[in-house]
Amino acid sequence: GAVVSQHPSRVICKSGTSVKIECRSLDFQATTMFWYRQFPKQSLMLMATSNEGSKATYEQGVEKDKFLINHASLTLSTLTVTSAHPEDSSFYICSAAPTPNADTQYFGPGTRLTVL
Amino acid sequence: KNEVEQSPQNLTAQEGEFITINCSYSVGISALHWLQQHPGGGIVSLFMLSSGKKKHGRLIATINIQEKHSSLHITASHPRDSAVYICAVIQGGSEKLVFGKGMKLTVNP
Repeated sequence: GAVVSQHPSRVICKSGTSVKIECRSLDFQATTMFWYRQFPKQSLMLMATSNEGSKATYEQGVEKDKFLINHASLTLSTLTVTSAHPEDSSFYICSAAPTPNADTQYFGPGTRLTVL
Repeated sequence: KNEVEQSPQNLTAQEGEFITINCSYSVGISALHWLQQHPGGGIVSLFMLSSGKKKHGRLIATINIQEKHSSLHITASHPRDSAVYICAVIQGGSEKLVFGKGMKLTVNP
């Protein structure tokens, strides 16, 4: 089956620093990648949708200057949390879709971010 | 009201029991996903449905488009089935998943 990896799996950083999370599709090309955030005991919330070579589309309420998304290739998307604050502490999950629609998505294992 | 509602929110069962998890949605959809999230957070896609029924091992998923309802059944449940089961839909004409809050299942030995 299709595999999506995320790196790192866990990261602890100091307030004010930036953190980069990578999402890779290992055995397929991902036309579209999605970034989600999940707070404890809450649903996954879509943050943004990215297509290779174009700017990401952010959901309402998600600051594009704070959550920088780069989809540089068909197998790699990165999410950078800039000037992280404790309220950014969350579980970040990416998914990758081999086709432009979201009918089939393969999820990464997630990244636990803790901002001190 | 959430677009995707799951019931129950929590369920504790004994090993071997037959389990049903329900999902209702209020919008027109092009597809529905059942996802499994383990305590570490990783998510596995179990099924993607647009009609009818699918079976994989001990898991069966059904969907009734007219009633806007889907069920996930687990036969002969096992402690390793303990996880959060999430229903998510893709609204017709959209490429985005809308998630339910999930149902936490605990299967005791």
